[in-house]
Amino acid sequence: QVQLQESGPGLVKPSGTLSLTCGVSGGSISSTNFWSWVRQPPGKGLEWIGEIYHSGSTNYNPSLKSRVTMSVDKSKNQFSLKLRSITAADTAVYYCARARNVAARFLDYWGQGTLVTVSS
Amino acid sequence: EIVLTQSPATLSLSPGERATLFCRASQSVSSYLAWYQQKPGQAPRLLIYDASNRATGIPARFSGSGSGTDFTLTISSLEPEDLAVYYCQQRTNWPPAYSFGQGTKLEIK
Repeated sequence: QVQLQESGPGLVKPSGTLSLTCGVSGGSISSTNFWSWVRQPPGKGLEWIGEIYHSGSTNYNPSLKSRVTMSVDKSKNQFSLKLRSITAADTAVYYCARARNVAARFLDYWGQGTLVTVSS
Repeated sequence: EIVLTQSPATLSLSPGERATLFCRASQSVSSYLAWYQQKPGQAPRLLIYDASNRATGIPARFSGSGSGTDFTLTISSLEPEDLAVYYCQQRTNWPPAYSFGQGTKLEIK
């Protein structure tokens, strides 16, 4: 059973950088799957942020692309998200998830989510 | 960009009733559509993939159908624990991007 766990600061200052890590257990990050980040502002719907393959290949949401960087650390079986120049609009629960590498890419395992609040 | 529109926004039904949720895509997504259930305070959980395949451990009362632009999630006989928001999701290959519907909130009377 694959399990994912997000970690990182719960409070970040405006104009700063949000940094989160997702630890993967019960499976290898080097498997033939993609690894994604999804966020959910309080009381709102889901927004895809981006995905990364173990090779380092990435796809980002066009609306966030200029501010997002994702990376993989195969030695630690984890992947990470950095979001720069953050504002209050980036306050959300951030989820990491596994994306099955099939034609119909879907997210079959999710972390529990971590709330990141942007405030001074 | 493919936009997914879900209806209704809210559905209020009693235990044992049948629930029918809809998801419409702004252009064809073939059968490449997934459904998720998000209970209060929890992460989303995959219910259905490829429009009609139940994910591992999902009860048989959940079923999906459709192709092209119109999709349906049916819960044949509601249980109290089905209280949740349900989202549909698709992914385009170019540009590579996922999109989610805005969600349908299912209330159990």
